[in-house]
Amino acid sequence: KQEVTQIPAALSVPEGENLVLNCSFTDSAIYNLQWFRQDPGKGLTSLLLIQSSQREQTSGRLNASLDKSSGRSTLYIAASQPGDSATYLCAVTGNQFYFGTGTSLTVIP
Amino acid sequence: NAGVTQTPKFQVLKTGQSMTLQCAQDMNHNSMYWYRQDPGMGLRLIYYSASEGTTDKGEVPNGYNVSRLNKREFSLRLESAAPSQTSVYFCASSESTGPGYEQYFGPGTRLTVT
Repeated sequence: KQEVTQIPAALSVPEGENLVLNCSFTDSAIYNLQWFRQDPGKGLTSLLLIQSSQREQTSGRLNASLDKSSGRSTLYIAASQPGDSATYLCAVTGNQFYFGTGTSLTVIP
Repeated sequence: NAGVTQTPKFQVLKTGQSMTLQCAQDMNHNSMYWYRQDPGMGLRLIYYSASEGTTDKGEVPNGYNVSRLNKREFSLRLESAAPSQTSVYFCASSESTGPGYEQYFGPGTRLTVT
């Protein structure tokens, strides 16, 4: 069974800092990996999707990378802002769909 | 476009009661999903429907049934609710289950079973 782990569980940084969130998975037979943002009491908003044949995707201040062979993905957030405060989840799609437990990010003004 | 909508937003049930959670999407997506989210467990897939007329079990299907009513709607039924089913339930949809398709989520239903 696929296991998806996100470390750290919580992160607090001052505004303006660049930061990296990590996602690891145990089975490299995946179709794609998707990063989401979840605000308290809300649903999930898709940030980036990386197909298994791709190495990275970029959207604005966000950059996600994928290394299938080592079972890792990172989400890089440049010049963090208080509005980036949320929980970030990664999900892998193989023959089923598996989510990590998330990293709760707080950006301090 | 409303995207993915879910009703109700909140629900409190007594043990043994039944209820149906409703989900609809207006993006003409083929595939739809039901997840539950519990503290420390992340989101876990309950059931999914790859296309209209098909449904398949996910990771935690016990205690639930689903119906893909048409292409737009996918409902989740709890026949006899148990306290262990207290959770936040999310519906999602995507164009397909294949690679390269993003999932879009609804706002969730917060269910408490007493």
